[in-house]
Amino acid sequence: AQKVTQAQTEISVVEKEDVTLDCVYETRDTTYYLFWYKQPPSGELVFLIRRNSFDEQNEISGRYSWNFQKSTSSFNFTITASQVVDSAVYFCALIKGNTGKLIFGQGTTLQVKP
Amino acid sequence: GAGVSQSPSNKVTEKGKDVELRCDPISGHTALYWYRQSLGQGLEFLIYFQGNSAPDKSGLPSDRFSAERTGGSVSTLTIQRTQQEDSAVYLCASSLGLGGTQYFGPGTRLLVL
Repeated sequence: AQKVTQAQTEISVVEKEDVTLDCVYETRDTTYYLFWYKQPPSGELVFLIRRNSFDEQNEISGRYSWNFQKSTSSFNFTITASQVVDSAVYFCALIKGNTGKLIFGQGTTLQVKP
Repeated sequence: GAGVSQSPSNKVTEKGKDVELRCDPISGHTALYWYRQSLGQGLEFLIYFQGNSAPDKSGLPSDRFSAERTGGSVSTLTIQRTQQEDSAVYLCASSLGLGGTQYFGPGTRLLVL
């Protein structure tokens, strides 16, 4: 069975702090994809990143960075110098091979205070 | 280009009524998905369509739920004899192919009184 765990239910930081959102996944498949989505208060899920199981290179996009480690089955997301606009619910998700079912974690609510 | 669109944005209905929710995927996307987001259950997969293949209905919670996709584009999710536990946000997504990045619409917020 596949499962995604986001142990942090809520995180509160002050603007300009760095924050890391944890994601641990379970799967027996060798080919899979991992995702992060952002859900701001408006409600729409916004795609952030997609990584395949064969590419463990860390990725950086502006203030966002992702650390993928197969050895610990983790795909953590770090926001550097957080801003109020980063306040949202963040979801980590997993998809098996070429299937269509996204398995989501329970989400982490991030509040960035000015 | 245009993203995934859904209608209506909000729907209030009485218990026992039928409802239809509509999804227009991104043009050219062959795969279309429905999910449900509720407070107690988080984000749950319901069904997906890929091209002309038979849909994967494994996530539909009961036989009151059905979906169709006409002409490989627009999809309709139908809930018959709605129950209060059906209250949720219903999200539609589409992707270029199965397993591709799924782009989500704004959702339909359903409230069953």
